[in-house]
Amino acid sequence: SQQGEEDPQALSIQEGENATMNCSYKTSINNLQWYRQNSGRGLVHLILIRSNEREKHSGRLRVTLDTSKKSSSLLITASRAADTASYFCATDSGSSNTGKLIFGQGTTLQVKP
Amino acid sequence: EPEVTQTPSHQVTQMGQEVILRCVPISNHLYFYWYRQILGQKVEFLVSFYNNEISEKSEIFDDQFSVERPDGSNFTLKIRSTKLEDSAMYFCATAMELGGSPLHFGNGTRLTVT
Repeated sequence: SQQGEEDPQALSIQEGENATMNCSYKTSINNLQWYRQNSGRGLVHLILIRSNEREKHSGRLRVTLDTSKKSSSLLITASRAADTASYFCATDSGSSNTGKLIFGQGTTLQVKP
Repeated sequence: EPEVTQTPSHQVTQMGQEVILRCVPISNHLYFYWYRQILGQKVEFLVSFYNNEISEKSEIFDDQFSVERPDGSNFTLKIRSTKLEDSAMYFCATAMELGGSPLHFGNGTRLTVT
């Protein structure tokens, strides 16, 4: 598999439920970021977690990072219909020193009202 | 909040034609990027640009592609002779600094090559 692979590819839940998305990567990283994309729009940065951090919170978002397993998870609590979007993890390996991000395939989240 | 602005939002062109996609970065950002997303696929890195020169480019970014910042504000991506497989959403992104600064994306240009 390639750097930054998310699972599941698609997730459908009811409003109020929690949504968990996972991301795996292959190389060592400086940081891992999660982005959100509404249909046909640009990507919006949600949260960044550095390689020396294990967990980070931002509002209803919780991100974990396990560098030993090369994996991360994004938890959205108390989901809302407006959370319907695609979610991508992206890794900055730091090897190129250009800030280049490698994106995963994404998880499409549908939150039903 | 400052935004990255891309124009046009949609460009239709015939195979073999040249296209120029434009981006206005956030004013105090120093690092610029182009990404593309073929319909239904992942977002792919094309090129990074800093201090008026390319700092890194991917295998996709072949001789048909070029970038420049001609007037110190607009950041452009030119495709010299478009191919059908160039049809995609092209996103400009900018960052203030390296090493942990998030990318700010524009809303993209949908390029359709017929």
